[in-house]
Amino acid sequence: KAGVTQTPRYLIKTRGQQVTLSCSPISGHRSVSWYQQTPGQGLQFLFEYFSETQRNKGNFPGRFSGRQFSNSRSEMNVSTLELGDSALYLCASSLGAAQETQYFGPGTRLLVL
Amino acid sequence: GQSLEQPSEVTAVEGAIVQINCTYQTSGFYGLSWYQQHDGGAPTFLSYNALDGLEETGRFSSFLSRSDSYGYLLLQELQMKDSASYFCAVSGGATNKLIFGTGTLLAVQP
Repeated sequence: KAGVTQTPRYLIKTRGQQVTLSCSPISGHRSVSWYQQTPGQGLQFLFEYFSETQRNKGNFPGRFSGRQFSNSRSEMNVSTLELGDSALYLCASSLGAAQETQYFGPGTRLLVL
Repeated sequence: GQSLEQPSEVTAVEGAIVQINCTYQTSGFYGLSWYQQHDGGAPTFLSYNALDGLEETGRFSSFLSRSDSYGYLLLQELQMKDSASYFCAVSGGATNKLIFGTGTLLAVQP
């Protein structure tokens, strides 16, 4: 089976712009979670989607949003980018039930100038 | 709130054994996971403990004590390729949300 894929892998944006990141889970996986990784804050949970519904949300401002499509692919959007949004954005997929092993994609490295 | 503590750095030599500790403070605890992340790579799953005791998978073992809110990852017969960051993570509730520790950078020296 193919692993979790994320596009794009690298992105450079300027402050105030918006960005959309994409994640394709492992075939058959219905849960997709998003994490932000920075040197200062480590890995932080953004949100989880299951069957096109947001099942859980982390402590991030409303500028961060996401959605999941019927084929389980997910997108996350960050509006009005700030310098502090520069980070590695990782998505992880799992079959769906709670406590299932999560498999991470390679991430999208976002740089905000 | 929820928090996990683990050492920031550990250094060991090839062939040795190293233990990475993790203490956690969280509500609704379900289990403790360990992930490995090489520089520039994605975190990869190593182990999961839901019950007290030791889980062994090849050269890696993981331990959990729920009463002490404590766990550890044990790496045996260290190899250079084991140089990476190791994260403990707790899961709780009816979702797949993971709360990660700050990570331990393991440097394996020849």
